[in-house]
Amino acid sequence: GENVEQHPSTLSVQEGDSAVIKCTYSDSASNYFPWYKQELGKRPQLIIDIRSNVGEKKDQRIAVTLNKTAKHFSLHITETQPEDSAVYFCAASWNTGNQFYFGTGTSLTVIP
Amino acid sequence: DAGITQSPRHKVTETGTPVTLRCHQTENHRYMYWYRQDPGHGLRLIHYSYGVKDTDKGEVSDGYSVSRSKTEDFLLTLESATSSQTSVYFCAISRLAGGETGELFFGEGSRLTVL
Repeated sequence: GENVEQHPSTLSVQEGDSAVIKCTYSDSASNYFPWYKQELGKRPQLIIDIRSNVGEKKDQRIAVTLNKTAKHFSLHITETQPEDSAVYFCAASWNTGNQFYFGTGTSLTVIP
Repeated sequence: DAGITQSPRHKVTETGTPVTLRCHQTENHRYMYWYRQDPGHGLRLIHYSYGVKDTDKGEVSDGYSVSRSKTEDFLLTLESATSSQTSVYFCAISRLAGGETGELFFGEGSRLTVL
């Protein structure tokens, strides 16, 4: 099965700085890579996703990059704000199985 | 909220007792999933379903069984609960997008404590 590794497990940044979270995957068949944000006591919610036919995708302050050759993808948050503080999960999936495998999460703290 | 409801939301039980968690959806999605969330392990897939009576195991299926007799309901059963099954359980549905894998949408979670 797929194996998704996520780093770092914790990340602290000053408000206004950028944050980068990295994930690697093992199965070259994976072709869909979503990122989820989970606030304390809440459900994970999708913030951005990317498919294997795209190298980069942006949505305001959030961007995701994908390197299929190296099998890694990254989440970039610019101009961080205190409300960005949460746990972020990456995941990998592929069409035929429609199974999602998650990284172990990154706890991001934005210091005002 | 994709019309997903989980019940119960909180449960405390004793070791050796059976427990059933229910996931109900109102949007007729084909794929449904059960995940457990534990500190340091992220979200791990227990079982998933790709249609009525069609289910398959995930990465941590030992000690769990599932059933899907109707499109809208996906049940997770712990036949004999153990303390290692203390966790937060999330049900999810997959919104296919044009036939491709789509957004995984989660329910609010069920917190289970096994004493």
